[in-house]
Amino acid sequence: AQRVTQPEKLLSVFKGAPVELKCNYSYSGSPELFWYVQYSRQRLQLLLRHISRESIKGFTADLNKGETSFHLKKPFAQEEDSAMYYCALKQGSQGNLIFGKGTKLSVKP
Amino acid sequence: NAGVTQTPKFQVLKTGQSMTLQCAQDMNHEYMSWYRQDPGMGLRLIHYSVGAGITDQGEVPNGYNVSRSTTEDFPLRLLSAAPSQTSVYFCASRALNEQFFGPGTRLTVL
Repeated sequence: AQRVTQPEKLLSVFKGAPVELKCNYSYSGSPELFWYVQYSRQRLQLLLRHISRESIKGFTADLNKGETSFHLKKPFAQEEDSAMYYCALKQGSQGNLIFGKGTKLSVKP
Repeated sequence: NAGVTQTPKFQVLKTGQSMTLQCAQDMNHEYMSWYRQDPGMGLRLIHYSVGAGITDQGEVPNGYNVSRSTTEDFPLRLLSAAPSQTSVYFCASRALNEQFFGPGTRLTVL
């Protein structure tokens, strides 16, 4: 079955520390993966998509097909990075998204 | 562009009542969808539509109905609300590889 797993409900780091939000997936085929972010009192928005291989707000994510992972990384966390982060997998002919359960990132001063 | 809009922002219902959550987008996107967001459960797809007149079920469709008479609007109907439907509901529309989400409707069913 197609599935997205985010093993950490909550991740707490200090400002300036590196951060890694884990995402593992289960998918038979060539996956398309995304990271979405939801800041407090704001709507969900796209942060990264793996096909773009881009860096947004200092975040990067590399697709590792061998480990079926798409971890989100940032070398130096900022307080404004505090938010809920969701990993998502595109599935099926209609391209519906399957979301992980989310990881709440808290960056302490 | 207003993007994706949802009304109401908050709603409290009694068990058994019915209501419609409204969703509209002004980006001319063919694909629209409804999700519910519950603590510890992430976002789960309720229903989706790939164009006017075409709808299909997602992961958790029971208790919800949808219709798509225009490209712009995609309302979600709760026919007989239950406490298990207490949640935050998000509507989204999609262009290519990006989904645009509405601000959400927080629904409480007593």
